[in-house]
Amino acid sequence: GAVVSQHPSWVICKSGTSVKIECRSLDFQATTMFWYRQFPKQSLMLMATSNEGSKATYEQGVEKDKFLINHASLTLSTLTVTSAHPEDSSFYICSARASSGGASETQYFGPGTRLLVL
Amino acid sequence: RKEVEQDPGPFNVPEGATVAFNCTYSNSASQSFFWYRQDCRKEPKLLMSVYSSGNEDGRFTAQLNRASQYISLLIRDSKLSDSATYLCVVNGKGGYNKLIFGAGTRLAVHP
Repeated sequence: GAVVSQHPSWVICKSGTSVKIECRSLDFQATTMFWYRQFPKQSLMLMATSNEGSKATYEQGVEKDKFLINHASLTLSTLTVTSAHPEDSSFYICSARASSGGASETQYFGPGTRLLVL
Repeated sequence: RKEVEQDPGPFNVPEGATVAFNCTYSNSASQSFFWYRQDCRKEPKLLMSVYSSGNEDGRFTAQLNRASQYISLLIRDSKLSDSATYLCVVNGKGGYNKLIFGAGTRLAVHP
């Protein structure tokens, strides 16, 4: 199946620093990428949807100035957590879809990035 | 009300048992339905799509009842390796066919 990578796989940082997470589709071009966050024992929550070359669409309650998303190419999307605080500690997962097509189009998930803010 | 609701479990079953998970969703306009599996501290992986007529993949059978907005997953002859959290996933409102995840049902299969 299609492969999506994320980097880094885990990061520990001090409060107030910014953290960039990369999501790459390795063997297909992803016109749409999604960023999710998952807190312990909770469901994945969609943060934002990005299409290559356009601005991301953020879900209600997600601060776009805090979670900066850039989808500059068909194989790379980045999420930057600006001025991270302990409450931003979570498991961040990206997914990529090969086309902007139909309802049954499969999303391929990256392995996730575990962020711990001290 | 949550958009996708699941019994969190855990379901503790012996090897060889048959176990069923249920899920309800609130958006009647949803058109795509999936079961994902998530192992501890890992990303979710697609187990199977769910079709209106019901579908089977080996030991796994999925059913959809659109009228009741209800989805089920049946696992027969449980294996130790089936231990994981099973996520019910539905496509949500708005563009780009975004996926809405349930919180998952945890399954523990013991010898």
